[in-house]
Amino acid sequence: QKEVEQNSGPLSVPEGAIASLNCTYSDRGSQSFFWYRQYSGKSPELIMFIYSNGDKEDGRFTAQLNKASQYVSLLIRDSQPSDSATYLCAVWSNDYKLSFGAGTTVTVRA
Amino acid sequence: ETGVTQTPRHLVMGMTNKKSLKCEQHLGHNAMYWYKQSAKKPLELMFVYNFKEQTENNSVPSRFSPECPNSSHLFLHLHTLQPEDSALYLCASRMTPNEKLFFGSGTQLSVL
Repeated sequence: QKEVEQNSGPLSVPEGAIASLNCTYSDRGSQSFFWYRQYSGKSPELIMFIYSNGDKEDGRFTAQLNKASQYVSLLIRDSQPSDSATYLCAVWSNDYKLSFGAGTTVTVRA
Repeated sequence: ETGVTQTPRHLVMGMTNKKSLKCEQHLGHNAMYWYKQSAKKPLELMFVYNFKEQTENNSVPSRFSPECPNSSHLFLHLHTLQPEDSALYLCASRMTPNEKLFFGSGTQLSVL
């Protein structure tokens, strides 16, 4: 079983719409959850982190966490062409290993 | 610019060559990482160094040899690689116990 799973996409959304990205993880004891954005040919860049159940908002980004369901999501509101990238979900496990999903590719069409 | 610098950005090498990847972080962090990123696959953790001591070797073949002379520099020495080793190699650092990881721009490696 993969430790962190994401839909690979591509997820295509029109400009101005909401992009919704999902991630599930296998280690029930995980406490810290991160979203990285990776543009083509570039390195991953941390954009959001969440530790507690519920929602966390930062600008156009909202991270949502449900530990009971082992599920974390990222919403991108008012999507812009500059949001076109691959989004990586990352989870710190109890034994202090950071596991990444394979990423979801988002394309925002003008 | 994340404060983590990797060189070279691109590397093409034959299977009999020996080369080294270099990583330098200017953030004052105490932990450094090597990751391998292949197309459509999750980032694979290779090595972890905390305070210059290797704390994790994730079953990496011996043709990859890490070196961490101090907390700011990390090397990955490569020899007799295979074509399947072609990938993006990413260096990252953090200041423990802070969990935020900062990545370098990576070295795109092609093994012919």
